[in-house]
Amino acid sequence: EAGVAQSPRYKIIEKRQSVAFWCNPISGHATLYWYQQILGQGPKLLIQFQNNGVVDDSQLPKDRFSAERLKGVDSTLKIQPAKLEDSAVYLCASSPGGMINTGELFFGEGSRLTVL
Amino acid sequence: EDQVTQSPEALRLQEGESSSLNCSYTVSGLRGLFWYRQDPGKGPEFLFTLYSAGEEKEKERLKATLTKKESFLHITAPKPEDSATYLCAVIRDNYGQNFVFGPGTRLSVLP
Repeated sequence: EAGVAQSPRYKIIEKRQSVAFWCNPISGHATLYWYQQILGQGPKLLIQFQNNGVVDDSQLPKDRFSAERLKGVDSTLKIQPAKLEDSAVYLCASSPGGMINTGELFFGEGSRLTVL
Repeated sequence: EDQVTQSPEALRLQEGESSSLNCSYTVSGLRGLFWYRQDPGKGPEFLFTLYSAGEEKEKERLKATLTKKESFLHITAPKPEDSATYLCAVIRDNYGQNFVFGPGTRLSVLP
């Protein structure tokens, strides 16, 4: 079974530039998450999709971050314009979804962003 | 506000030296507590789910336990390959399925 795919793995940009990350979840997984993990900290939820609808985006800085999940499959996370404090690893995770959750999220390897 | 704290921040053990990692939480209406392992440059990997106080789960050298306020991850006779960051996470309600992660404990097991 293929895992969660993310790209690019690494990205270096100047502040005020824009960047986009892509995620392809495990086939059939209804729920998709984007997490931000700053060095030395645990992952922090940015946005959660159930199919192609947003379930929770309360911690997404909407003035600069946007995310979409077209057709309930792939997702993109965009940052525009980037700030120095956006330097982090952006993790995508998926799960089968539904009301009963075993707690098993399947994570990709992440996209490491460095903002100079 | 839901909070998850973990201690210690970092732990160095000799191979074979057993120890425990702690995860404390303040969450109203806890629905589940989860342990993940994260290797450098990788995404977290699921280990255990615990739903109620008194529950225990085991996998190889790892054993997770849960009380009403905290969870412990016991590592028995660790090996160097157990070196990783161990994260715990809680979920407050099933509908949102919003996992709140702690900061993690960095474990180093020396040969």
